[in-house]
Amino acid sequence: QQPVQSPQAVILREGEDAVINCSSSKALYSVHWYRQKHGEAPVFLMILLKGGEQKGHDKISASFNEKKQQSSLYLTASQLSYSGTYFCGTTGLSGDTGNQFYFGTGTSLTVIP
Amino acid sequence: ETGVTQSPTHLIKTRGQQVTLRCSSQSGHNTVSWYQQALGQGPQFIFQYYREEENGRGNFPPRFSGLQFPNYSSELNVNALELDDSALYLCASSLDGSSYNEQFFGPGTRLTVL
Repeated sequence: QQPVQSPQAVILREGEDAVINCSSSKALYSVHWYRQKHGEAPVFLMILLKGGEQKGHDKISASFNEKKQQSSLYLTASQLSYSGTYFCGTTGLSGDTGNQFYFGTGTSLTVIP
Repeated sequence: ETGVTQSPTHLIKTRGQQVTLRCSSQSGHNTVSWYQQALGQGPQFIFQYYREEENGRGNFPPRFSGLQFPNYSSELNVNALELDDSALYLCASSLDGSSYNEQFFGPGTRLTVL
């Protein structure tokens, strides 16, 4: 049930744009996005709750297509501080085990000067 | 406002031993989730506690167990340690047991099993 992300890794020059995709084989009810820098804990970026919802702050935004079970994270005019591994995450509910949370496979993003 | 804290920072154990990791949730949060993150992998959900009850569990064996206390701090206990248990253990706090709320992560405990 782990969401699959693409690309696995991307290298950008400062100022370039990037798109990270997250796809699930199961129905998505919400999508979380987190960024984790090397040796640090994941940091929350945003949650998208509704089909077709878009959110954003600063130069990072995301879309969520509930019908396609996909979400995309958009980084525009990338900065060095954007480097890290990006994870999407989604919730699941099992009758036997209750709430669950699945992180995606991760996308390593490196911004170079 | 106090963030999520975890202790200890690092721990070295030998195979077969037992370990207890601790997490203090962010002020006002009543839900704690635990994750295991192996080197180079994404975090894997272990379980979630909401108001002192287990609210959800991932695909981990019963030797992984937990507790949540009235102040909403939490413990993760792992019995009969195996080499593959070596990982970074993260806890995250959130509000109201819902997986729709953002999670705030602690710095993690690095466990090494020899």
